[in-house]
Amino acid sequence: TQLLEQSPQFLSIQEGENLTVYCNSSSVFSSLQWYRQEPGEGPVLLVTVVTGGEVKKLKRLTFQFGDARKDSSLHITAAQPGDTGLYLCAGVRVSEKLVFGKGTKLTVNP
Amino acid sequence: EAGVVQSPRYKIIEKKQPVAFWCNPISGHNTLYWYRQNLGQGPELLIRYENEEAVDDSQLPKDRFSAERLKGVDSTLKIQPAELGDSAVYLCASSSVRTRGYTFGSGTRLTVV
Repeated sequence: TQLLEQSPQFLSIQEGENLTVYCNSSSVFSSLQWYRQEPGEGPVLLVTVVTGGEVKKLKRLTFQFGDARKDSSLHITAAQPGDTGLYLCAGVRVSEKLVFGKGTKLTVNP
Repeated sequence: EAGVVQSPRYKIIEKKQPVAFWCNPISGHNTLYWYRQNLGQGPELLIRYENEEAVDDSQLPKDRFSAERLKGVDSTLKIQPAELGDSAVYLCASSSVRTRGYTFGSGTRLTVV
């Protein structure tokens, strides 16, 4: 059973376009993290959201945590080729165990 | 600050052979994790250490996998004997009570032929 469902699984867009990636669950998490992973490397933490309804911005990336702390979204404005990678959401459970989604593979074409 | 260091980066072995992976976490990080990432999937936890104690190994296939973290610093993950289905990227990560996120190493890509 996949606790965290990410959509879409694959996304290929042109440079300059906007996009949104979704992370959904039926479970409540104490916090949720977003990571970006490039080929041949480990995931790198982008952000942690803790409070329901929280919105965090990181340059052109906007992260939102759902009010019920079950879902989250990542919005990228004016995507650039350097944004290409695998975006993973990960829910933190009370036991501090991190549960990952399958990821969204983003390709931004020049 | 040096990141999480893993070795080797790549390993190709024949099935039924043993293999070991090594991880050096960030200095001062008391929590260490081993994850397995299959192609097209997110990482899945194998084992979590708090200092030298394994506090969550429920997902570790104990018939063939073993891990140790002597002195609460470096850790090794071993597979014996390896099976074709063990082909994956094995990631090590560490964290401390002050950090919310994990710092991952670059991983070891294992191919069992």
